[in-house]
Order: sequence, then C-alpha cells, then structure tokens
Amino acid sequence: DADVTQTPRNRITKTGKRIMLECSQTKGHDRMYWYRQDPGLGLRLIYYSFDVKDINKGEISDGYSVSRQAQAKFSLSLESAIPNQTALYFCATSGLAAYNEQFFGPGTRLTVL
Amino acid sequence: GEDVEQSLFLSVREGDSSVINCTYTDSSSTYLYWYKQEPGAGLQLLTYIFSNMDMKQDQRLTVLLNKKDKHLSLRIADTQTGDSAIYFCAESIIGSSNTGKLIFGQGTTLQVKP
Repeated sequence: DADVTQTPRNRITKTGKRIMLECSQTKGHDRMYWYRQDPGLGLRLIYYSFDVKDINKGEISDGYSVSRQAQAKFSLSLESAIPNQTALYFCATSGLAAYNEQFFGPGTRLTVL
Repeated sequence: GEDVEQSLFLSVREGDSSVINCTYTDSSSTYLYWYKQEPGAGLQLLTYIFSNMDMKQDQRLTVLLNKKDKHLSLRIADTQTGDSAIYFCAESIIGSSNTGKLIFGQGTTLQVKP
C-alpha cells in the first residue's frame, strides 16, 4: 500500500464550487504539506503543518484553506473554485531526519471550468 | 527572496551522459536536493547534498555543488530511456522557525532518445 494517498486522483468542477482534496499518510510523520504544480513553474507551497495544532501559510495560500484532522490526515479546500486554480496538487510528508526528505502522494489533477 | 532556476528541457541519446543544471539564491541553504517525477506520479527524492560538500556520487549519479556560484548540477552517466522524467532541483530553507521548507525549481524535462 502507498504511504501517502490522495483522493480524488482527478476532479473536474465548475467555477464557484467548493472542493476538498484529501491526503492520508501511514508514515507516522508529523509534518505535512500541500503544493500545486503548474507547467514551467515547478511546485509552489500552499500550506504546511507541523502537527495537528499547527497550520502555516505557504507562498500561495490565497483562495485555499486546510484542515489537519489528525496526524495522518491533511485536507485542502477551495472555498469557491476559479479557473486559475486548475493544476496538479500534491500532498507531501516529512519526518525529523536532518536532510528533511519529503514523501509525495501521487497527486490530484483538478480542472476548474 | 529565495529562488531556484532550472532550464526546462534537455534531450540526450541513450547511453550518453546527461547534465542538468540549477542555480539558487539563498546562501543559507543547508541541503540541496534532486527529485525525480515520472509521468503520472509524485516526486521521489533521487539524491541530496549537504552544503559543506562539493560532490556526491551514487552509482550513475554525480552531484556537484559550487557554493561560490550557487550552482548545483546532476550528472546521470549512461542515460537510459527509463531516466526520462522531470527532474526538480530544491533547496531547504532553515529559518528561525526551522520550517524545513523546500523551494523547488521549475523542473527540467529529460527526454532520452533510443
């Protein structure tokens, strides 16, 4: 079984709809992250969390919110989706190793029409 | 602010060496990384280098770090078609809150021709 899972894997929605992307991990890591990937722009950090009570904004948090329901679960919400939020979204986790390796989920491809 | 730059595309023939380059701006980076993304998958750590090193070798992979020029490179020897993927350079930003955040480059698509 995969260590970091994301649901759904693909989603098509309409402008103005509320969307939730979910991430679960079995690695026992405290740190979790949400990124979006756009062609030619690489990965940009949306939000990150160091434990259940800790939520931090990344570089592009506007239009997004997150919830850390448990150590293993970190969900990303788009309250009112807009077309420029069409992207590939990745969840990642990391442990306490000094070199901070991040382990990525398979991604969710979101299309906002 | 922090920035990581890569060229977007590299094409090589199978059996040749590939060299993927990256420049970064934050001189306080403690670790620099190369991640690999295969089609339809998430990123996987390929290798990393600590900032006090200037070279790291791991089988077909050689990482070179020039701290003076803030330049990182990844050399893949005897490139195979299975190496076709997007390669991301990343640096670890250790701020006062010890966030361990990563800043990623744009990714270099490596195309390996038979």
